[in-house]
Amino acid sequence: DGGITQSPKYLFRKEGQNVTLSCEQNLNHDAMYWYRQDPGQGLRLIYYSQIVNDFQKGDIAEGYSVSREKKESFPLTVTSAQKNPTAFYLCASSTGTGSNQPQHFGDGTRLSIL
Amino acid sequence: QKEVEQDPGPLSVPEGAIVSLNCTYSNSAFQYFMWYRQYSRKGPELLMYTYSSGNKEDGRFTAQVDKSSKYISLFIRDSQPSDSATYLCAMRIYNFNKFYFGSGTKLNVKP
Repeated sequence: DGGITQSPKYLFRKEGQNVTLSCEQNLNHDAMYWYRQDPGQGLRLIYYSQIVNDFQKGDIAEGYSVSREKKESFPLTVTSAQKNPTAFYLCASSTGTGSNQPQHFGDGTRLSIL
Repeated sequence: QKEVEQDPGPLSVPEGAIVSLNCTYSNSAFQYFMWYRQYSRKGPELLMYTYSSGNKEDGRFTAQVDKSSKYISLFIRDSQPSDSATYLCAMRIYNFNKFYFGSGTKLNVKP
């Protein structure tokens, strides 16, 4: 089945620690995205990538980093510079610019501070 | 002002009711419109995707777009307890790979 796999489902971070959230898709989509969702709030864009080896900052990129070395994979690192990382993190993908198709989402990773 | 506004609810209705969920937007460049359903602790699931003004129907769901008023709606007929979830509207500009989301409306359908 085609889809987006996020792992782990739950993640705990200690103070001063960097943690990496995994996102893998087998939909052959060019574009991939990371969003942060806080209770009662909508989705806020952290980073997005339209093609391999290229990515752009979203609205709340500070304290986060990404890489896009393979089309299928778009890992997100939450660094120690992100002072309030507790949130639900969602990865999404879509076909490239020009197709104007909707996004599809993974089932998220819930990150908490220890 | 947010580019996409959505009433957060919660909206509570009895089973079998018709539900109306709405979003307004300010950017006239938005041309593609989506509705997602999100259950607790899960990712959003695409329900409806539409481009043109007018109605699009899929089973119990109808998406309505009024570009002149910058207003979109999702109607759910014969609502079921399993429809209890948060509903997110989303929009995109033609040939631009960024999506804009409403904050979501929480719906509770009581048996």
